[in-house]
Amino acid sequence: NAGVTQTPKFQVLKTGQSMTLQCAQDMNHEYMSWYRQDPGMGLRLIHYSVGAGITDQGEVPNGYNVSRSTTEDFPLRLLSAAPSQTSVYFCASSYGTPSGANVLTFGAGSRLTVL
Amino acid sequence: GNSVTQMEGPVTLSEEAFLTINCTYTATGYPSLFWYVQYPGEGLQLLLKATKADDKGSNKGFEATYRKETTSFHLEKGSVQVSDSAVYFCALRGPRGRRALTFGSGTRLQVQP
Repeated sequence: NAGVTQTPKFQVLKTGQSMTLQCAQDMNHEYMSWYRQDPGMGLRLIHYSVGAGITDQGEVPNGYNVSRSTTEDFPLRLLSAAPSQTSVYFCASSYGTPSGANVLTFGAGSRLTVL
Repeated sequence: GNSVTQMEGPVTLSEEAFLTINCTYTATGYPSLFWYVQYPGEGLQLLLKATKADDKGSNKGFEATYRKETTSFHLEKGSVQVSDSAVYFCALRGPRGRRALTFGSGTRLQVQP
């Protein structure tokens, strides 16, 4: 049972570089989301998707793009990395929009450092 | 909007001590409430949940009761173990319209042998 798989686990970028954080789930979950975790601020929602072809912005979307071409994959793109994007990124998924019944399953995280 | 406030950590306890981690929330209506746990180097895992007032969620010796009158969902455990050392996050989902969870800032628990 792979669950939610994130790659890479660690990445160092220079300011202005671009990269994509990959997220894949094998549970046929409709809902997928990206959070960033910063010290003292908990988890903040970046973008989410309620199904293939549908995405929407969360609390802190600026500087990030997403797409959902398949049910399984939900990549997060940084087009021009900035030091403020240094963080730990988590992908999470659930059968429907997260609720008492639809529990979020998290990946192990991707630690990004932007110099 | 929705918000979750947790006590700041770290919380340092000796093994077998009693644990309380406070969590209060602001939301309209009747949200669902959750506690997630993050062990070192891992993603978050659901620990317990409660979906209506006066519900008690429980798992692995942890408990939390949904208190509508005090807008609280405090996490408790009667006797902590070293293996409980982790970061604990309180979270809520609003009753309608919101398609995401709102998380608190997390509380780090350190249990010493």
